[in-house]
Amino acid sequence: QLQLQESGPGLVKPSETLSLTCTVSGGSISSSSYYWGWIRQPPGKGLEWIGSIYYSGSTYYNPSLKSRVTISVDTSKNQFSLKLSSVTAADTAVYYCARHNLVFGWYFDLWGRGTLVTVSS
Amino acid sequence: QSALTQPASVSGSPGQSITISCTGTSSDVGSYNLVSWYQQHPGKAPKLMIYEVSKRPSGVSNRFSGSKSGNTASLTISGLQAEDEADYYCCSYAGSSTFGGVFGGGTKLTVL
Repeated sequence: QLQLQESGPGLVKPSETLSLTCTVSGGSISSSSYYWGWIRQPPGKGLEWIGSIYYSGSTYYNPSLKSRVTISVDTSKNQFSLKLSSVTAADTAVYYCARHNLVFGWYFDLWGRGTLVTVSS
Repeated sequence: QSALTQPASVSGSPGQSITISCTGTSSDVGSYNLVSWYQQHPGKAPKLMIYEVSKRPSGVSNRFSGSKSGNTASLTISGLQAEDEADYYCCSYAGSSTFGGVFGGGTKLTVL
């Protein structure tokens, strides 16, 4: 059964770069049918799509975050990663990784449990 | 890309039916049959309930159904159960220029 697990620092200082990794287990990240995405949720607020990546490295980003976001993939480790630069308190959120059906539709059908990242000095 | 509009809260009694609306624009909901719905219990990850407007993933109860008319999509839950109490989010594809999507602000469902 495919599972996703986020990992990374829970505390990041303002102006620094937030870095998270999502490890996919129980299946291959190199599936031709899926992208792999990042979504975030500030405390008490709604969901926001950050961006998604294909195993080949092809990426799509939310235009509102594009200038600060880099998503990469490491197929040898079955992982994909998120980097968000120049963070502020507004980037404090639970960050989820998810399997993104973008080839035949546009939805997230499997999610990780999420990890809270707090931006504070 | 602006967030889709959902009511902040809806409520219903066990056994009743409720509908949650999700209003977008002709650039997202109105142009594509790519609306999905997610259920989120407190402290948990979202769960896909409906995709491509009205399709249910395997394992999701047939009490959940989706539809769309113009720029507004809807999620209907029939035969309300206590376990349905959760936050619900809609999401729509928003165009090929960025292959991006937009979420709604979320609706809190209370089962009375």
